[in-house]
Amino acid sequence: KAGVTQTPRYLIKTRGQQVTLSCSPISGHRSVSWYQQTPGQGLQFLFEYFSETQRNKGNFPGRFSGRQFSNSRSEMNVSTLELGDSALYLCASTRSGTSGPHNEQFFGPGTRLTVL
Amino acid sequence: GDSVTQMEGPVTLSEEAFLTINCTYTATGYPSLFWYVQYPGEGLQLLLKATKADDKGSNKGFEATYRKETTSFHLEKGSVQVSDSAVYFCALIPSGNTGKLIFGQGTTLQVKP
Repeated sequence: KAGVTQTPRYLIKTRGQQVTLSCSPISGHRSVSWYQQTPGQGLQFLFEYFSETQRNKGNFPGRFSGRQFSNSRSEMNVSTLELGDSALYLCASTRSGTSGPHNEQFFGPGTRLTVL
Repeated sequence: GDSVTQMEGPVTLSEEAFLTINCTYTATGYPSLFWYVQYPGEGLQLLLKATKADDKGSNKGFEATYRKETTSFHLEKGSVQVSDSAVYFCALIPSGNTGKLIFGQGTTLQVKP
């Protein structure tokens, strides 16, 4: 069974640009969550999508947005990039849509975004 | 709000030494608890989990017990190997939630031959 895939793996952008990252969950998984990892702030939750609806949201500005498609693939977008947006962006998929023993998350390899 | 606190690293051990990485949490109800590991240049891999009090998660020689009374989920391994060198993250999913993992700050483990 293929794991979570993320594209692209590496990205270099300049301040003010926008970027779109893609995440394909494990087949059959319906929930996709996004995280930002930086040396200073660690791993921080961005948002979660389930059945094409945003179900949870972290404390990030509105420049960070996402969506999920009917096949459960998800994209996140960052507009008006800032230097501080340089980070590893990880997505994770979950099999079940309900809480309980099936809520473990499986992570992709991440997209390394560098903002110059 | 809910949070996870891990012991600060880096932790440096010799091969075959005993490992303990402390993790405590603050959360209402009964969160699910996890240990993830991140090898250099890679994403996170689930190492083990526990979903209710007194559960013991175990995998690859690592184990951790969900202690509700002390709100802890310490990671242990009896004999570490050089290949265990990585960053270890303790995390929780709040009770009744599914998609939001709350992570500790991570502990870097270096095992020397």
